[in-house]
Amino acid sequence: DSGVTQTPKHLITATGQRVTLRCSPRSGDLSVYWYQQSLDQGLQFLIQYYNGEERAKGNILERFSAQQFPDLHSELNLSSLELGDSALYFCASSAGGQFNQPQHFGDGTRLSIL
Amino acid sequence: QQQVKQSPQSLIVQKGGISIINCAYENTAFDYFPWYQQFPGKGPALLIAIRPDVSEKKEGRFTISFNKSAKQFSLHIMDSQPGDSATYFCAARRAGGTSYGKLTFGQGTILTVHP
Repeated sequence: DSGVTQTPKHLITATGQRVTLRCSPRSGDLSVYWYQQSLDQGLQFLIQYYNGEERAKGNILERFSAQQFPDLHSELNLSSLELGDSALYFCASSAGGQFNQPQHFGDGTRLSIL
Repeated sequence: QQQVKQSPQSLIVQKGGISIINCAYENTAFDYFPWYQQFPGKGPALLIAIRPDVSEKKEGRFTISFNKSAKQFSLHIMDSQPGDSATYFCAARRAGGTSYGKLTFGQGTILTVHP
């Protein structure tokens, strides 16, 4: 158990809808990272937050947004969903925001768009 | 742009054998190279990591070999066991800049260890 909690585990919705994925980092970790895992693209970095502030951004679509709250949990919001958004979405956390901090992953949310 | 290339895509070894997975990177700014192990239905779990100032790091049956000049690194699993059957990802992270903690992953290797 990594200590990173993601909810829900599975999400099934339709095109055009909006969903929110939630992540609770390990106790004491200040950084949260979001990754998308798909068969064709592999594991892709989306965005990083450190202590409530956006720290780094990857190839995250404009339809996607995230935030980190004062209690350090994070939410990833996906809107105007398309079939291609079907994927596993992982959250990871690390103690700090620096490069040498190991990242610990949750078990992901599987998003299926029908 | 694929910045970390991983091979092979799949690997089958017999119990007790050595599993070898290779990765090559392009960005010389990468300064931290972890390997992750992922079981079905689970998230990637950190296995072992190396910095480029070290040519080899060993933890139990797992060893990372690093060749900075060739920009390549590899994972060796000694005495492979059926329980090692999983997908393995190499990754790289750039120190500093605006990338901070962003991990760039290889495409993954599906390892099957036959009993």
